[in-house]
Amino acid sequence: QSVLTQPPSVSGAPGQRVTISCTGSSSNIGAGYDAHWYQQLPGTAPKLLIYSDNKRPSGVPDRFSGSKSGTSVSLAITGLQAEDEADYYCQSYDSSLTAWVFGGGTKVTVL
Amino acid sequence: QLQLQESGPGLVKPSETLSLTCTASGGSISSSTYYWAYIRQPPGKGLEWIGNIYYTGSTFYNPSLKSRVTISVDTSKNQFSLKLTSVTAADTAVYFCVRQISGYFNYWGQGALVTVSS
Repeated sequence: QSVLTQPPSVSGAPGQRVTISCTGSSSNIGAGYDAHWYQQLPGTAPKLLIYSDNKRPSGVPDRFSGSKSGTSVSLAITGLQAEDEADYYCQSYDSSLTAWVFGGGTKVTVL
Repeated sequence: QLQLQESGPGLVKPSETLSLTCTASGGSISSSTYYWAYIRQPPGKGLEWIGNIYYTGSTFYNPSLKSRVTISVDTSKNQFSLKLTSVTAADTAVYFCVRQISGYFNYWGQGALVTVSS
């Protein structure tokens, strides 16, 4: 059971918009700790996608965006493309566990 | 461009010690900006932060693994290393070495699969 809760899967047709939620608690996201998102393509290492809730590293398309509200964060993918089919993980710091923690991951399927 | 490369045995026997080394190229381990971390991923499962180290040798470990983990750094070789003792099948995973800045992980090695089996 992950400290950060993500839906196991989401899907959408090419061109559509999908969102992935990541729900935490008062000891992590709700405590003000930044959340970050990673994309893991099949058979590869995770790649930083969004950092500090809503910032994109250089090279990440602006189709990817992050937002935060209370104890949750969300990742939105607009204009869904076949190459976006991957696993997505949220991550933050938990002060109760004194550890950096990840969500369980969400598999995005492009229909 | 920073590159991180994990190396070490791909097979470890139960109760023995898992040892991995991460070699950095294209960037210095001695940078004051970054921490250097290990993260693992059991086959078909999610990510787990194991611990990290600063170039000075200061470490932080996941409390769930703390009793079994040691991370060390060798700045002269631009390397940092992981030792995990008393391994079981539950420690079978792909182990990633990662650069950490502030609270996130912005450069990942390709990962090394370590299988615990007799």
